[in-house]
Amino acid sequence: DAKTTQPNSMESNEEEPVHLPCNHSTISGTDYIHWYRQLPSQGPEYVIHGLTSNVNNRMASLAIAEDRKSSTLILHRATLRDAAVYYCILTNSGYALNFGKGTSLLVTP
Amino acid sequence: GAGVSQSPSNKVTEKGKDVELRCDPISGHTALYWYRQSLGQGLEFLIYFQGNSAPDKSGLPSDRFSAERTGGSVSTLTIQRTQQEDSAVYLCASSLGDGGLYEQFFGPGTRLTVL
Repeated sequence: DAKTTQPNSMESNEEEPVHLPCNHSTISGTDYIHWYRQLPSQGPEYVIHGLTSNVNNRMASLAIAEDRKSSTLILHRATLRDAAVYYCILTNSGYALNFGKGTSLLVTP
Repeated sequence: GAGVSQSPSNKVTEKGKDVELRCDPISGHTALYWYRQSLGQGLEFLIYFQGNSAPDKSGLPSDRFSAERTGGSVSTLTIQRTQQEDSAVYLCASSLGDGGLYEQFFGPGTRLTVL
């Protein structure tokens, strides 16, 4: 079961970019990299996912290392509403999401 | 459209009682998951339904826990003879297809407190 490693917490100033790292050195060739976040007192919500190429959507960007052993979630301009726990998860067909502890992001005005 | 709904939102019960938690997934979603989250912890996978396949029950912590999904839609998670360690938020999620590949949509959860 491929695992991910994330910092326990990070802090950012409002309107600054945030780079949330994730290490997954044992990733297999068919594992997708998913990011979810969980705002306080809410269920998790999907942020972005990718396989090999960098991905962009309205919420964030995902930069995947060439060897796929690490990835970075990029929030281009953090807002107070982005304060949440961010989970980096490796997924594959037929498997549930294996949430770890995630990174708790604090955004300060 | 409507998202994933769960009921009740809160449930307080006494140790030893049975409880049923309900999940209404997004219409048309073939995959349904149950997770639980204890205070200050990450999410723990419980059970996974995909279409008409046999469910993946590998995450159920004991035989006091069971779940069913009727007609490929609504799901009920049942906990028999509840214990205090069962206190947690129980989250349901559904996805259009295989939840390992598709986005999972989560409900608001049911907060279970066992006294």
